[in-house]
Amino acid sequence: NAGVTQTPKFQVLKTGQSMTLQCAQDMNHEYMSWYRQDPGMGLRLIHYSVGAGITDQGEVPNGYNVSRSTTEDFPLRLLSAAPSQTSVYFCASSNRETGETQYFGPGTRLLVL
Amino acid sequence: KQEVTQIPAALSVPEGENLVLNCSFTDSAIYNLQWFRQDPGKGLTSLLLIQSSQREQTSGRLNASLDKSSGRSTLYIAASQPGDSATYLCAVGFYGQNFVFGPGTRLSVLP
Repeated sequence: NAGVTQTPKFQVLKTGQSMTLQCAQDMNHEYMSWYRQDPGMGLRLIHYSVGAGITDQGEVPNGYNVSRSTTEDFPLRLLSAAPSQTSVYFCASSNRETGETQYFGPGTRLLVL
Repeated sequence: KQEVTQIPAALSVPEGENLVLNCSFTDSAIYNLQWFRQDPGKGLTSLLLIQSSQREQTSGRLNASLDKSSGRSTLYIAASQPGDSATYLCAVGFYGQNFVFGPGTRLSVLP
């Protein structure tokens, strides 16, 4: 099993550009989520999904869109990048909504100029 | 709103010492609590998961306890080693509301 994979590892964007961060898992987990990690603020939940076709907002959803067309994939879209979105983004998956161990991807480091 | 704090923010100890990391949360209506390890530039690795009905969990040299009524969890690391150097994060889980993370404790174990 590859576990949770994320691409790209690093990305530089200009303000106003759009991009998609990819996340995939091969563990047949129904629950997937996106977090951002900023210095001194810990990890904050952006969006999550409890299964294909079902998504919901977390603590900091503004400026981000998600969709879940398959169990395996959960992409995160930045519609119009802003410097405040400079962060490290982590994708995670688990077997149940909060009942099981969460498995994290290696992260995507995003710099918005 | 649930808030999670971790004390200390950073800790430096000589190899071989036993140590305790602390995690506090403001809302005791939790579903579970999870301790993670994060190495620099890497993702998070789950160490221990404690369900709300449990008092503690053990894995090797690690022991995590949970006291819901006081809003506290501790991670005990026995006989620390340089390879234990990392940032340790606790995350409190709520049914339907996912996890809220603490800011982490940065641990350095000196050889």
